[in-house]
Amino acid sequence: GDSVTQTEGLVTLTEGLPVMLNCTYQTIYSNPFLFWYVQHLNESPRLLLKSFTDNKRTEHQGFHATLHKSSSSFHLQKSSAQLSDSALYYCALSDRYNQGKLIFGQGTKLSIKP
Amino acid sequence: ETAVFQTPNYHVTQVGNEVSFNCKQTLGHDTMYWYKQDSKKLLKIMFSYNNKQLIVNETVPRRFSPQSSDKAHLNLRIKSVEPEDSAVYLCASRHGGVNAEQFFGPGTRLTVL
Repeated sequence: GDSVTQTEGLVTLTEGLPVMLNCTYQTIYSNPFLFWYVQHLNESPRLLLKSFTDNKRTEHQGFHATLHKSSSSFHLQKSSAQLSDSALYYCALSDRYNQGKLIFGQGTKLSIKP
Repeated sequence: ETAVFQTPNYHVTQVGNEVSFNCKQTLGHDTMYWYKQDSKKLLKIMFSYNNKQLIVNETVPRRFSPQSSDKAHLNLRIKSVEPEDSAVYLCASRHGGVNAEQFFGPGTRLTVL
């Protein structure tokens, strides 16, 4: 079945350094829908960005990601980390033939230090 | 206010009891979901439902059942809770195509003693 794999566990960075969180996926469908959701402490997940177009960069709130079907990847990047970026990040794949339910990766906790 | 609402925020119960959680969305969405977020923060789909079809994730134990009165409500009932059911249960909704954003409620944290 479909699956999503993310950078394991905890990523700790110093403020101002670039961020890259890895996401790869597996699906039999040729046109996948990929999402990044962010969950801050004591909040619920909310959409950060999404993409369905191969090799097209999508951006939101300083973050960007590009869907690469050739490598089944959708890595999340930011040029300069901020303290407020500390959160849990989930990469997700939409199961388009099952009411668009989301198949989440295991989540990556991003911790930004001053 | 338009959003996804869940009650209760927290619930503590004993093994073997029955519990019910409520979810209501005022966004006018046509598809709703229940997700489980466990202690390791793994997020897994449990159910998805629109006014035509209920889809149950095959790994969900039979003691879990969704209940819907209309497209704005999707409740979750657990017939006889077990310790591994301790988790945060998140309700979400979506409108339009499967590439649309899902909006999550604040969650219900269940602790089974």
